[in-house]
Amino acid sequence: DIQMTQSPSSLSASVGDRVTITCRASQGITNYLAWYQQKPGKVPKLLIYAASTLQSGVPSRFSGSGSGTDFTLTISSLQPEDVATYYCQKYNSAPLTFGGGTKVEIK
Amino acid sequence: QVQLVESGGGVVQPGRSLRLSCAVSGFIFSSYAIHWVRQAPGKGLEWVAVISYDGSNNYYADSVKGRFTISRDNSKNTVYLQLNSLRAEDTAVYYCARVSQALYSSSFPLDYWGQGTLVTVSS
Repeated sequence: DIQMTQSPSSLSASVGDRVTITCRASQGITNYLAWYQQKPGKVPKLLIYAASTLQSGVPSRFSGSGSGTDFTLTISSLQPEDVATYYCQKYNSAPLTFGGGTKVEIK
Repeated sequence: QVQLVESGGGVVQPGRSLRLSCAVSGFIFSSYAIHWVRQAPGKGLEWVAVISYDGSNNYYADSVKGRFTISRDNSKNTVYLQLNSLRAEDTAVYYCARVSQALYSSSFPLDYWGQGTLVTVSS
């Protein structure tokens, strides 16, 4: 099975900072990659799919890139409401494995 | 609006069984695959299982294969997850979630999630 590895596992940044999270697949998955945001005590929310397509209603400060095995989630200007854990997920075929998550905090 | 509502969680002893339900509304249930995802306390998301829109295909994570069974009743707009031979490591919030594209089990992300139901395996 394909493994998904995220880094870093946590980060702390200031409001307005540019934040980058990476996700690596152990084998190529073309662009079958989604990013989810889970705020504390809440349900996961789909942010980005097809590696770079923003889900409806998601602020434009979020962006995704990558293809094959290496992917990136970028928050261009971190806001207080972005405090959350972010997960990547591959969905080309079962099992739909998640990355370990990246916890984003405000410095 | 699209809604998925899980139920059936609770406290259960190791080795015992539990059945979770996921009742859905707001979309054509019989056209969509449904997944189960779990999250142990303080841990990350773990994909558990999927059932195709018509129930003809299902897949499981290795960690639950042979112990958990996913099924659906399209007349009741409900998906079930039967949990057998439960272990302490199965303790988690269990979410059901919908694939974003009709008729596909994978190849598309999960766009709507339920609120989850907590399963605690403890003696």
